[in-house]
Amino acid sequence: QVQLQESGPGLVKPSETLSLTCDVSSYSISSGHFWGWIRQPPGKGLEWIGSIYHGGDTYYNPSLKSRVTISVDTSKNQFSLKLFSVTAADTAVYYCARDHDSGDFLMDYWGQGILVTVSS
Amino acid sequence: QTVVTQEPSLTVSPGGTVTLTCASSTGAVTSGYYPNWFQQKPGQAPRALIYSTSKKHSWTPVRFSGSLLGGKAALTLSGVQPEDEAEYYCLLYYGDGQAFGGGTKLTVL
Repeated sequence: QVQLQESGPGLVKPSETLSLTCDVSSYSISSGHFWGWIRQPPGKGLEWIGSIYHGGDTYYNPSLKSRVTISVDTSKNQFSLKLFSVTAADTAVYYCARDHDSGDFLMDYWGQGILVTVSS
Repeated sequence: QTVVTQEPSLTVSPGGTVTLTCASSTGAVTSGYYPNWFQQKPGQAPRALIYSTSKKHSWTPVRFSGSLLGGKAALTLSGVQPEDEAEYYCLLYYGDGQAFGGGTKLTVL
């Protein structure tokens, strides 16, 4: 069973950079699939942030594109999210998930999520 | 900005049948949007139920089914159980990304 686990600071100051990592186990990132980040503000719905392929190809939500970078480290079997210049509106539970591959468009395995609060 | 729209809330009786829908601001939803459906209970991560319109994951209960209905993606629950009370989200894939619907809160009463 594919497992994903988010990690990173739970508190970030306004205007600083939010940095999270997703560790993947029981599946090699290099085997395929895109890998994605999704967030959910408290009491609100899901928002797709962006996704990356093991080769480094990325695509982002247009509303966040100017502030987001997603990267992958195949040697550690993990991928990461950086969100720049955060504000209180970026407070959310952040999830990582296995995204689609060339054959199937799905997001089948998800991490448990990590709450990140933006506050001074 | 693409907007994906779902019913905010629905109520169904135990043992009943209910259909949730998912519409796109770009027009009719087709199989080319590869509709996905997820279930989320309070305090939990979303759980994938349906992908590519109607395909089920190995863990998806038989009572959940996906389809296209009147230009929308649809999720039908047949023989609803009390444990089906949850928030349900659809996901559509577009050429330049993907977008979630706002979610439907399903109450079993």
